[in-house]
Amino acid sequence: SYELTQPPSVSVSPGQTARITCSGDALPKQYAYWYQQKPGQAPVLVIYKDSERPSGIPERFSGSSSGTTVTLTISGVQAEDEADYYCQSADSSGTYQGVVFGGGTKLTVL
Amino acid sequence: QVQLQESGPGLVKPSETLSLTCAVSGYSISSGYYWGWIRQPPGKGLEWIGSIYHSGSTYYNPSLKSRVTISVDTSKNQFSLKLSSVTAADTAVYYCARYRIEMASNWFDPWGQGTLVTVSS
Repeated sequence: SYELTQPPSVSVSPGQTARITCSGDALPKQYAYWYQQKPGQAPVLVIYKDSERPSGIPERFSGSSSGTTVTLTISGVQAEDEADYYCQSADSSGTYQGVVFGGGTKLTVL
Repeated sequence: QVQLQESGPGLVKPSETLSLTCAVSGYSISSGYYWGWIRQPPGKGLEWIGSIYHSGSTYYNPSLKSRVTISVDTSKNQFSLKLSSVTAADTAVYYCARYRIEMASNWFDPWGQGTLVTVSS
């Protein structure tokens, strides 16, 4: 079955730039989406269609895509950004009927 | 502003059927969009369960398809999840969300707050 691969953890100091990657063979042909999940809360969409930012999401959140890897970048990380981040895309069938999530990355702000 | 709220029993016995409902406010389900269920076992990642269109057409995760039924009740503006023959592995926080499918894209936004379902005798 199709999988999206994320690093289990990323650590950065406040004010630095955090980069979280997500790899999948079908990503060159399909958009990726990113969700932020803080402890005890539901996931929140922070990036859609690889690099679009929903209204209300701070500008320090950005997304990019290159080949089979998409990247969530958080510039000037703040303590409040400490959370789990999940990427998501369609399954490899290309019909957009199925969904796959990455395993998640825990962002720690040192 | 669309809001979703899950409801249902927090404890289900092994081999029984888990049943949850997601009430939608701020938007009429019959107007369009897909709607979906996602779950998260304690301390683990997200798993897509399935999605339904307002017309009733459904898509299920192949790994759960034999046990899952998702239905929609437009008169009550809600949709429901049934998962049969549950085991302890089905213990999870269950989320409902609006599932947007557009040209070459699909994503969940917004999400409900989630409800914990524990499978135990």
